[in-house]
Amino acid sequence: QKEVEQNSGPLSVPEGAIASLNCTYSDRGSQSFFWYRQYSGKSPELIMFIYSNGDKEDGRFTAQLNKASQYVSLLIRDSQPSDSATYLCAVNDQTGANNLFFGTGTRLTVIP
Amino acid sequence: DTAVSQTPKYLVTQMGNDKSIKCEQNLGHDTMYWYKQDSKKFLKIMFSYNNKELIINETVPNRFSPKSPDKAHLNLHINSLELGDSAVYFCASSPLLANTEAFFGQGTRLTVV
Repeated sequence: QKEVEQNSGPLSVPEGAIASLNCTYSDRGSQSFFWYRQYSGKSPELIMFIYSNGDKEDGRFTAQLNKASQYVSLLIRDSQPSDSATYLCAVNDQTGANNLFFGTGTRLTVIP
Repeated sequence: DTAVSQTPKYLVTQMGNDKSIKCEQNLGHDTMYWYKQDSKKFLKIMFSYNNKELIINETVPNRFSPKSPDKAHLNLHINSLELGDSAVYFCASSPLLANTEAFFGQGTRLTVV
């Protein structure tokens, strides 16, 4: 079982601040990385994916990947109360099945 | 239109019973999955299946078995249910291409009493 680790939180930030979510993974051969958001009682939904070292920006979200350090992060700028959720980091299995291995998630609360 | 749909959404049953959860996807994806999310919110893959192979997570008890009547469906059968099977079970699908995201169904909350 591939290891994907996240701080479980909870992480609390004031509205308008930057939320920083971190994730490390054990398999150096992993190639693709995903951030999912999960609201309580709902299913995970994809926020960002990143394959290459560096930053990838999509609106208020920025994913950062450092394969040498086996580290991936998600920054949420101008945090909104609607961003309050659990954020799941996932790493792709390199078999043909595209299995995703998830971290335990970080609970984010944005305080109005 | 729902992309990945599961039924039922809630399932309460007694220990020792056999139950099934159904999953259907209308995305034309080649690969389907079952994930289990426990009370601590840890999401763990149980099975992945495409028309070529079934990959089973070795930690999954053999009381759990996936059944795929066709490419758009992957049902989960559970025999001799135990208290520890209580969890939320998510079905998901993805294209066969490597490094693609998985799309999740709404989940089935299974409670074994």
